[in-house]
Amino acid sequence: GAGVSQSPSNKVTEKGKDVELRCDPISGHTALYWYRQRLGQGLEFLIYFQGNSAPDKSGLPSDRFSAERTGESVSTLTIQRTQQEDSAVYLCASTDTQYFGPGTRLTVL
Amino acid sequence: GIQVEQSPPDLILQEGANSTLRCNFSDSVNNLQWFHQNPWGQLINLFYIPSGTKQNGRLSATTVATERYSLLYISSSQTTDSGVYFCAVYDDYKLSFGAGTTVTVRA
Repeated sequence: GAGVSQSPSNKVTEKGKDVELRCDPISGHTALYWYRQRLGQGLEFLIYFQGNSAPDKSGLPSDRFSAERTGESVSTLTIQRTQQEDSAVYLCASTDTQYFGPGTRLTVL
Repeated sequence: GIQVEQSPPDLILQEGANSTLRCNFSDSVNNLQWFHQNPWGQLINLFYIPSGTKQNGRLSATTVATERYSLLYISSSQTTDSGVYFCAVYDDYKLSFGAGTTVTVRA
């Protein structure tokens, strides 16, 4: 595609539920990144993929967070047993110069 | 990790005014990017600038890597320039972001 796409654009869930966020990177881009942006703040690094391996998971805030990537395409970020502090915009970027998708706004009630 | 500080935190401009945003960082970096986050949340690359000066229309940026700072200049500001401007530095392959400068341009 022409750019990085993410789905859903908005997700409202109840505390304790699991959610899955999807990122479709730019075709052919091997590097993929997930970031989190809390309201009024800058972006925090979560995880980095090179191809389908994840050499750096250091930013994942807890073991409730996990991510995978299929080949050099789609990535999913899964948050289990969501908490209210997980509410944020989750952004995906691809390539070394980091073109960002539109984000998924997650609200945990 | 590398610390990134941006100033000012907020900036209100009258349309047509010029302004300068500053980014200081705590350690040597391989590269630096400026982004604009529009009111709809989309992050747009403005500049990829490890050193020197680049210009794109009414925007320009200068990075002095040896002194660990970068400047973003907005000239003849327009209401469409409103949003949050982020500076981010490369800590190896990942970006460390500043807290941003919120710019409001009034007609």
